Amino acid sequence: KNQVEQSPQSLIILEGKNCTLQCNYTVSPFSNLRWYKQDTGRGPVSLTIMTFSENTKSNGRYTATLDADTKQSSLHITASQLSDSASYICVVGGRGSTLGRLYFGRGTQLTVWP
Amino acid sequence: KAGVTQTPRYLIKTRGQQVTLSCSPISGHRSVSWYQQTPGQGLQFLFEYFSETQRNKGNFPGRFSGRQFSNSRSEMNVSTLELGDSALYLCASSSESTGGANTEAFFGQGTRLTVV
Repeated sequence: KNQVEQSPQSLIILEGKNCTLQCNYTVSPFSNLRWYKQDTGRGPVSLTIMTFSENTKSNGRYTATLDADTKQSSLHITASQLSDSASYICVVGGRGSTLGRLYFGRGTQLTVWP
Repeated sequence: KAGVTQTPRYLIKTRGQQVTLSCSPISGHRSVSWYQQTPGQGLQFLFEYFSETQRNKGNFPGRFSGRQFSNSRSEMNVSTLELGDSALYLCASSSESTGGANTEAFFGQGTRLTVV
């Protein structure tokens, strides 16, 4: 069964600190993995997209890593800011998939305190 | 370039009624997909349209239906509303025509539907 599991479910950190969110998946065959940031009541916004041949990709203070062998990904946030408070969703696409065949994790709710 | 526009942003309906939600994709995008998001289930895929044709459908009852027009705008309809249909409904668009590993998906702000 194709599944995407994220951990932790929620996380609270202090402003300025770093944090790492985890994503494990069983989607096969695998094509790409995406991380999205979703503010409360808003639509998700893409942070990174990685194919199976990419190990790491950065977008400002966000760095995603991918290990296609162990089917694990992580999203590292450096020097957190209050505006980083949001839900972070891991999304996996199977090979040949269109947007209608993406598998979504349930997200990690990150709260950054001043 | 305007983003994905969903209307209305908020909607309150009573059980048994029907509702139609609208999604205008980014100009030039021909692929539109719909998702239901609830706190307990996360994002659940509803359906995907490309060039007015439904390409994929999720596991939702027949009360949920959709369509896409020649200008790529899409509508989603839910008939005989139930309390459990209360959710954030999200629409996403992309420019891809076939499965693309790096095809970006752009989401709208969503329509918050509350069924009372």
